Amino acid sequence: DQQVKQNSPSLSVQEGRISILNCDYTNSMFDYFLWYKKYPAEGPTFLISISSIKDKNEDGRFTVFLNKSAKHLSLHIVPSQPGDSAVYFCAASPFGNMLTFGGGTRLMVKP
Amino acid sequence: NAGVMQNPRHLVRRRGQEARLRCSPMKGHSHVYWYRQLPEEGLKFMVYLQKENIIDESGMPKERFSAEFPKEGPSILRIQQVVRGDSAAYFCASSPSSQGSYEQYFGPGTRLTVT
Repeated sequence: DQQVKQNSPSLSVQEGRISILNCDYTNSMFDYFLWYKKYPAEGPTFLISISSIKDKNEDGRFTVFLNKSAKHLSLHIVPSQPGDSAVYFCAASPFGNMLTFGGGTRLMVKP
Repeated sequence: NAGVMQNPRHLVRRRGQEARLRCSPMKGHSHVYWYRQLPEEGLKFMVYLQKENIIDESGMPKERFSAEFPKEGPSILRIQQVVRGDSAAYFCASSPSSQGSYEQYFGPGTRLTVT
């Protein structure tokens, strides 16, 4: 049973536009959520995180939104750049313990 | 300010051999996590260690796999008698010991190929 799901395996966006990546979770014990970016043959790179006591966290071009009642979070990238093309993973954690990852969404930003 | 180091980056083993994967956490980090990524899948948690202690090994296969994080030196993930299904990318992550800091920082991974 997948506790963290990313239902879109891929997303294509024009440079300069907004990229919205979505993630759903089922475990109510998750209280910390993170987004990672991954290039082929490299480890995941931490992007941004959010605690369950917040509904929004912003860092430069990246904003994460959390809807606890819907058990849904999203990552917004504005404006999208070609260098953002990568696989994006959302991850969830109960009380700062192990991370449970979604299956990833491949983002392609076209020039 | 070195990040998480893993070696080797690539490891080829024949079926039945042993594989040893090493991970040095970021400076100041005392929590180490191991994850495995099978082809076309997301990362799956294996084990969580602090110095000289295994905190959570619920994601580790019961047989052939073991992990340690000694007082001195890197964390080691050991796979005995490897099989083809062990072929995967193995990632190590570390986090600080301070409460409330839950971000985990990943190394570049070790790609294990079992022939």
